[in-house]
Amino acid sequence: QEQLVESGGGVIQPGRSLRLSCAASGFSFSSYGMHWVRQAPGKGLEWVAVISSDGSVKYHADAIRGQFTISRDNSKNTLFLQMNRLRPEDTAVYYCAKEGQIGGGFLDSWGQGTLVSVSS
Amino acid sequence: EVVLSQSPDFQSVTPKGKVTITCRASQSIGTSLHWYQKKPGQSPKLLIKYASQSFSGVPSRFSGSGSGTDFTLTINSLEAEDAATYYCHQSSGLPRTFGQGTKVEI
Repeated sequence: QEQLVESGGGVIQPGRSLRLSCAASGFSFSSYGMHWVRQAPGKGLEWVAVISSDGSVKYHADAIRGQFTISRDNSKNTLFLQMNRLRPEDTAVYYCAKEGQIGGGFLDSWGQGTLVSVSS
Repeated sequence: EVVLSQSPDFQSVTPKGKVTITCRASQSIGTSLHWYQKKPGQSPKLLIKYASQSFSGVPSRFSGSGSGTDFTLTINSLEAEDAATYYCHQSSGLPRTFGQGTKVEI
């Protein structure tokens, strides 16, 4: 069945960088757009970024544009989120999610999440 | 940016009761509106896609309706396992956005 497994989270000091990974299996990874969504402690879901199936189109939320970059490696069925100049307000559980249909729409599969804690 | 506003923020319901959650979009989004259930420590789960289409495996007590700017998620005959926070999400345009969430307590 479809599976998404995030990794790369942890405790990190403000100003440092971190790269999250999301390993996909059980579906044709290269056929679907992929997203990152985060949830800060005690807060709601916040959409972060999307990348098209072939990686040619990317869009980032205003809050993290220029700071975070989404990418993918279809040969390794893996999605990435490069996070630079981390701030305490970036502390959250980060989820990767798969689009439910080719071309966009709902998010039908989610990873278990990886916690990023930005603290000195 | 499409802003999604959910109401209420919190609702307490008795078992076998009914919950109605509304989601209002700041501009017309057709039926590009989806509903998710989120429990603490778990990843979000898709309930309803495109405003009214049930996702595979979701119990029939969950239903959705609406189009344009006003949408509704209804949960009939609530069970204890339905205690969660529910979010609407739009795929009409970028950036994608979520509602602020509605916490349902049973």
